[in-house]
Amino acid sequence: EILLTQSPAIIAASPGEKVTITCSASSSVSYMNWYQQKPGSSPKIWIYGISNLASGVPARFSGSGSGTSFSFTINSMEAEDVATYYCQQRSSYPLTFGAGTKLELK
Amino acid sequence: QVQLQQSGAELMKPGASVKISCKATGYTFSSYWIEWVKQRPGHGLEWIGEILPGSGSTNYNEKFKGKATFTADTSSNTAYMQLSSLTSEDSAVYYCARRTLYWGQGTSVTVSS
Repeated sequence: EILLTQSPAIIAASPGEKVTITCSASSSVSYMNWYQQKPGSSPKIWIYGISNLASGVPARFSGSGSGTSFSFTINSMEAEDVATYYCQQRSSYPLTFGAGTKLELK
Repeated sequence: QVQLQQSGAELMKPGASVKISCKATGYTFSSYWIEWVKQRPGHGLEWIGEILPGSGSTNYNEKFKGKATFTADTSSNTAYMQLSSLTSEDSAVYYCARRTLYWGQGTSVTVSS
Protein backbone atom coordinates (compact mmCIF):
# COMPACT_ATOMS: atom_id res chain seq x y z
CA GLU A 1 0.00 0.00 0.00
CA ILE A 2 1.30 3.43 -0.93
CA LEU A 3 1.31 5.79 2.03
CA LEU A 4 0.77 9.48 1.35
CA THR A 5 2.15 11.99 3.84
CA GLN A 6 0.61 15.43 3.58
CA SER A 7 2.01 18.53 5.17
CA PRO A 8 1.24 20.70 6.89
CA ALA A 9 -1.78 19.27 8.69
CA ILE A 10 -3.13 22.76 9.31
CA ILE A 11 -2.19 26.04 7.68
CA ALA A 12 -3.53 29.57 8.11
CA ALA A 13 -3.09 32.07 5.30
CA SER A 14 -3.98 35.72 4.81
CA PRO A 15 -5.94 36.89 1.75
CA GLY A 16 -3.52 37.26 -1.16
CA GLU A 17 -0.92 34.98 0.39
CA LYS A 18 0.60 32.05 -1.49
CA VAL A 19 -0.18 28.61 -0.05
CA THR A 20 1.66 25.37 -0.75
CA ILE A 21 0.70 21.90 0.44
CA THR A 22 2.95 18.93 -0.14
CA CYS A 23 2.16 15.25 -0.55
CA SER A 24 4.95 12.71 -0.25
CA ALA A 25 4.39 9.13 -1.45
CA SER A 26 6.08 6.05 -0.03
CA SER A 27 6.52 4.69 -3.58
CA SER A 28 6.53 6.25 -7.00
CA VAL A 29 3.15 7.47 -8.21
CA SER A 30 2.16 8.48 -11.73
CA TYR A 31 -1.40 9.66 -11.10
CA MET A 32 -2.21 12.05 -8.30
CA ASN A 33 -5.46 13.83 -7.56
CA TRP A 34 -6.33 16.58 -5.13
CA TYR A 35 -9.75 17.05 -3.55
CA GLN A 36 -11.38 19.94 -1.76
CA GLN A 37 -13.81 19.25 1.05
CA LYS A 38 -15.86 21.76 3.00
CA PRO A 39 -17.66 20.88 6.25
CA GLY A 40 -20.85 18.93 5.67
CA SER A 41 -20.11 18.37 1.99
CA SER A 42 -18.71 15.58 -0.13
CA PRO A 43 -15.16 15.85 -1.44
CA LYS A 44 -14.84 17.54 -4.83
CA ILE A 45 -12.18 16.76 -7.38
CA TRP A 46 -9.99 19.83 -7.61
CA ILE A 47 -6.91 18.74 -9.52
CA TYR A 48 -6.55 15.48 -11.44
CA GLY A 49 -3.63 13.78 -13.10
CA ILE A 50 -1.09 15.79 -11.06
CA SER A 51 -1.67 19.18 -12.70
CA ASN A 52 -5.04 19.39 -14.47
CA LEU A 53 -7.64 21.70 -12.95
CA ALA A 54 -11.14 20.26 -12.66
CA SER A 55 -13.94 22.13 -14.36
CA GLY A 56 -14.73 25.40 -12.63
CA VAL A 57 -11.59 25.50 -10.49
CA PRO A 58 -10.02 28.97 -10.49
CA ALA A 59 -6.68 29.43 -12.21
CA ARG A 60 -5.02 30.51 -8.94
CA PHE A 61 -4.80 26.79 -8.10
CA SER A 62 -2.09 24.55 -9.51
CA GLY A 63 -0.57 21.13 -8.99
CA SER A 64 2.82 19.73 -9.82
CA GLY A 65 5.25 16.98 -9.02
CA SER A 66 6.43 13.56 -10.04
CA GLY A 67 7.65 10.30 -8.57
CA THR A 68 7.19 10.56 -4.83
CA SER A 69 6.89 14.32 -4.36
CA PHE A 70 3.85 16.40 -5.23
CA SER A 71 2.57 19.84 -4.40
CA PHE A 72 -0.66 21.82 -4.45
CA THR A 73 -0.46 25.59 -4.65
CA ILE A 74 -2.83 28.51 -4.31
CA ASN A 75 -1.16 31.60 -5.80
CA SER A 76 -3.31 34.07 -3.95
CA MET A 77 -5.45 32.93 -1.04
CA GLU A 78 -9.13 33.88 -1.04
CA ALA A 79 -11.71 33.42 1.70
CA GLU A 80 -13.64 30.88 -0.37
CA ASP A 81 -10.59 28.59 -0.39
CA VAL A 82 -11.05 27.73 3.28
CA ALA A 83 -11.47 23.94 3.26
CA THR A 84 -9.62 20.70 3.80
CA TYR A 85 -7.55 19.43 0.89
CA TYR A 86 -6.62 15.79 0.32
CA CYS A 87 -4.19 14.20 -2.08
CA GLN A 88 -5.01 10.78 -3.52
CA GLN A 89 -2.89 8.40 -5.54
CA ARG A 90 -4.57 6.39 -8.26
CA SER A 91 -1.51 4.52 -9.50
CA SER A 92 -1.94 1.30 -7.58
CA TYR A 93 -4.47 -0.56 -5.48
CA PRO A 94 -5.55 0.08 -2.86
CA LEU A 95 -6.10 3.70 -3.76
CA THR A 96 -4.97 5.84 -0.86
CA PHE A 97 -5.49 9.35 0.44
CA GLY A 98 -3.33 11.71 2.39
CA ALA A 99 -4.51 12.67 5.87
CA GLY A 100 -5.64 16.07 4.68
CA THR A 101 -4.57 19.68 5.13
CA LYS A 102 -6.96 22.07 6.79
CA LEU A 103 -6.63 25.52 5.28
CA GLU A 104 -7.83 28.41 7.44
CA LEU A 105 -8.06 32.14 6.91
CA LYS A 106 -5.70 34.28 8.94
CA GLN B 1 -26.70 15.47 -15.41
CA VAL B 2 -24.85 12.82 -13.47
CA GLN B 3 -26.15 12.34 -9.94
CA LEU B 4 -25.53 9.79 -7.23
CA GLN B 5 -28.24 9.68 -4.56
CA GLN B 6 -27.43 7.75 -1.41
CA SER B 7 -29.76 6.25 1.16
CA GLY B 8 -30.38 7.92 4.49
CA ALA B 9 -28.61 7.81 7.81
CA GLU B 10 -28.56 4.54 9.72
CA LEU B 11 -28.39 3.81 13.46
CA MET B 12 -27.30 0.23 14.02
CA LYS B 13 -26.56 -2.11 16.89
CA PRO B 14 -23.14 -3.71 17.24
CA GLY B 15 -22.98 -7.01 15.39
CA ALA B 16 -25.68 -6.08 12.90
CA SER B 17 -25.33 -5.54 9.16
CA VAL B 18 -26.33 -2.54 7.10
CA LYS B 19 -26.86 -2.07 3.37
CA ILE B 20 -26.29 1.36 1.87
CA SER B 21 -27.60 2.24 -1.58
CA CYS B 22 -26.34 4.61 -4.25
CA LYS B 23 -28.76 5.35 -7.09
CA ALA B 24 -27.20 6.69 -10.26
CA THR B 25 -28.87 8.88 -12.85
CA GLY B 26 -27.74 10.76 -15.93
CA TYR B 27 -25.33 8.26 -17.46
CA THR B 28 -24.94 4.62 -18.49
CA PHE B 29 -24.73 3.00 -15.07
CA SER B 30 -23.28 -0.30 -16.22
CA SER B 31 -20.24 1.27 -17.88
CA TYR B 32 -18.57 3.15 -15.03
CA TRP B 33 -16.89 1.95 -11.86
CA ILE B 34 -18.54 2.98 -8.60
CA GLU B 35 -16.17 3.48 -5.69
CA TRP B 36 -16.94 3.50 -1.99
CA VAL B 37 -15.06 5.71 0.47
CA LYS B 38 -15.19 5.85 4.28
CA GLN B 39 -14.70 8.99 6.32
CA ARG B 40 -14.38 9.11 10.08
CA PRO B 41 -13.62 12.25 12.02
CA GLY B 42 -9.90 12.39 12.61
CA HIS B 43 -9.24 9.50 10.20
CA GLY B 44 -9.50 11.21 6.83
CA LEU B 45 -10.68 9.34 3.76
CA GLU B 46 -10.30 5.60 3.17
CA TRP B 47 -10.91 3.85 -0.13
CA ILE B 48 -12.99 0.73 0.51
CA GLY B 49 -13.13 -0.54 -3.06
CA GLU B 50 -15.09 -0.43 -6.28
CA ILE B 51 -17.52 -2.30 -8.49
CA LEU B 52 -18.18 -2.22 -12.21
CA PRO B 53 -21.96 -2.66 -12.40
CA GLY B 54 -22.12 -4.10 -15.88
CA SER B 55 -19.90 -7.06 -15.09
CA GLY B 56 -20.00 -7.21 -11.32
CA SER B 57 -16.21 -7.04 -11.22
CA THR B 58 -14.90 -5.76 -7.91
CA ASN B 59 -11.71 -4.52 -6.34
CA TYR B 60 -11.52 -4.43 -2.55
CA ASN B 61 -9.08 -2.80 -0.22
CA GLU B 62 -7.67 -5.79 1.70
CA LYS B 63 -8.48 -3.95 4.91
CA PHE B 64 -12.21 -4.15 4.15
CA LYS B 65 -12.42 -7.70 2.82
CA GLY B 66 -14.92 -9.56 4.96
CA LYS B 67 -16.38 -6.26 6.13
CA ALA B 68 -17.76 -4.74 2.94
CA THR B 69 -19.60 -6.42 0.07
CA PHE B 70 -20.49 -4.61 -3.14
CA THR B 71 -23.40 -5.40 -5.41
CA ALA B 72 -25.13 -3.58 -8.23
CA ASP B 73 -28.56 -3.79 -9.82
CA THR B 74 -28.47 -2.58 -13.40
CA SER B 75 -32.25 -2.70 -13.69
CA SER B 76 -32.57 0.04 -11.09
CA ASN B 77 -29.18 1.71 -11.66
CA THR B 78 -28.34 1.23 -8.01
CA ALA B 79 -25.13 0.18 -6.35
CA TYR B 80 -25.07 -1.26 -2.86
CA MET B 81 -22.52 -1.73 -0.13
CA GLN B 82 -23.24 -4.08 2.75
CA LEU B 83 -21.23 -3.76 5.94
CA SER B 84 -21.30 -6.74 8.26
CA SER B 85 -20.56 -7.43 11.93
CA LEU B 86 -20.71 -3.76 12.73
CA THR B 87 -18.57 -2.27 15.51
CA SER B 88 -18.00 1.28 16.71
CA GLU B 89 -15.07 1.43 14.26
CA ASP B 90 -17.61 1.29 11.43
CA SER B 91 -19.33 4.49 12.57
CA ALA B 92 -18.55 6.87 9.72
CA VAL B 93 -19.87 8.66 6.68
CA TYR B 94 -19.75 6.47 3.60
CA TYR B 95 -19.62 7.94 0.11
CA CYS B 96 -20.18 6.40 -3.28
CA ALA B 97 -18.42 8.04 -6.19
CA ARG B 98 -18.18 7.57 -9.90
CA ARG B 99 -14.46 7.39 -10.30
CA THR B 100 -13.28 10.71 -8.93
CA LEU B 101 -15.61 13.23 -10.49
CA TYR B 102 -19.10 12.56 -9.16
CA TRP B 103 -19.86 11.87 -5.52
CA GLY B 104 -22.97 10.98 -3.57
CA GLN B 105 -23.99 13.11 -0.62
CA GLY B 106 -22.79 10.55 1.89
CA THR B 107 -24.56 8.16 4.25
CA SER B 108 -23.93 8.39 7.96
CA VAL B 109 -23.75 5.06 9.78
CA THR B 110 -23.73 5.14 13.58
CA VAL B 111 -23.10 1.95 15.50
CA SER B 112 -24.24 2.14 19.09
CA SER B 113 -25.87 -0.11 21.64
